[in-house]
Amino acid sequence: DVVMTQTPVSLSVAIGQPASISCKSSQSLVHSDGKTYLNWFLQRPGQSPKRLIYLVSKLDSGIPDRFSGSGSETAFTLKISRVEADDLGVYYCLQGTHFPHTFGAGTKLELK
Amino acid sequence: QVQLQQSGAELAKPGSSVKISCKASGYTFTSYYISWIKQTTGQGLEFIGYIKTGSGGTNYNEKFKGKATLTVDKSSSTAFMQLSSLTPDDSAVYYCARSGWEYWGQGVMVTVSS
Repeated sequence: DVVMTQTPVSLSVAIGQPASISCKSSQSLVHSDGKTYLNWFLQRPGQSPKRLIYLVSKLDSGIPDRFSGSGSETAFTLKISRVEADDLGVYYCLQGTHFPHTFGAGTKLELK
Repeated sequence: QVQLQQSGAELAKPGSSVKISCKASGYTFTSYYISWIKQTTGQGLEFIGYIKTGSGGTNYNEKFKGKATLTVDKSSSTAFMQLSSLTPDDSAVYYCARSGWEYWGQGVMVTVSS
């Protein structure tokens, strides 16, 4: 199975400051169709995961452009340009290229 | 609007089975696969498998073969997951999600305890 190594495990950030989360895969996530199926989710306490970004860098509808995704092959990054209180929770990456699909272990974003 | 409505929490005894449901609305049910995901504090999020809602074909994560059985009822736009031979390690929140991962159910807590 593809291992998704997500760092850091936790992140303490002041409101208005940037944040960055890394996700590294044990194999390239480029699919045979040429697309890279790397997603980012935010799970707030007591809620289901909510998709923020798909295909590495495409923002879901309604997601503020403070969020951005980048990367290729085996290294991917989620960045928040200015953290707001509503951004708190656990962030996960998910690869949908290889079967079985696999998630990162999560990064908990807390307020400093 | 797209919604995936899951059944309620389950309390089950070791060795028994449970069947949880995921009722879809707001879109053409057979146009998207339904995936199932297990979430525990210790193991995080784990992909169980998916079902092709049009044909009923399934693809399971090797880890969950023999544990989970996925089915669909097209007439009610509902996907089901049966978990068998339950042990305390099966205690978790189980989610369904539509292919593409944009839409998720609210989750079902399954507790296995004698």
